[in-house]
Amino acid sequence: QQPVQSPQAVILREGEDAVINCSSSKALYSVHWYRQKHGEAPVFLMILLKGGEQKGHDKISASFNEKKQQSSLYLTASQLSYSGTYFCGTERENDYKLSFGAGTTVTVRA
Amino acid sequence: DSGVTQTPKHLITATGQRVTLRCSPRSGDLSVYWYQQSLDQGLQFLIQYYNGEERAKGNILERFSAQQFPDLHSELNLSSLELGDSALYFCASSAPSGSFTDTQYFGPGTRLTVL
Repeated sequence: QQPVQSPQAVILREGEDAVINCSSSKALYSVHWYRQKHGEAPVFLMILLKGGEQKGHDKISASFNEKKQQSSLYLTASQLSYSGTYFCGTERENDYKLSFGAGTTVTVRA
Repeated sequence: DSGVTQTPKHLITATGQRVTLRCSPRSGDLSVYWYQQSLDQGLQFLIQYYNGEERAKGNILERFSAQQFPDLHSELNLSSLELGDSALYFCASSAPSGSFTDTQYFGPGTRLTVL
């Protein structure tokens, strides 16, 4: 079952912050975050396992709320290079497959 | 460059035809995953192979099949092609454990156009 991402799109100025949410109606084992620039392949950002851990990668971090079955990706002090479409992929326990959200398009302007 | 190679880059064919997409994983990676990305369906997981064996199956149609060879390269076969099969097909590979919690490295993709 496909996770739900919100918002669908966000426009930021350099230096601004944004949050992208990824929700599932089913219990999750892991959440994956990827960024895809136009015409390119998705690039891995981070994986979160159930347990509510938070991870960070430069000024991009994510959390996983197991009670809500929701993960949030935080873009802090955004840079032009953050522009792209962000996808979350979710894996349910013992399901052994990844389902992707529809994506959130982030545009960072100077 | 992720280290994953896919051929061909572009493929144009007609409805009803059969095509084969090829993927070579990163050196040392035993897992290969296939994904389809289209405008209306988004990114869809198709199938995973680990060291030659099918490990997980996603939304793969019966007209599609895949295999992983002893040298670990993988092929995705698409037959009786329909207009709706037009999409970007990505291959990804991951580290030896074969678990979805491993980082997946995506290849550049093959763009399939069915006319």
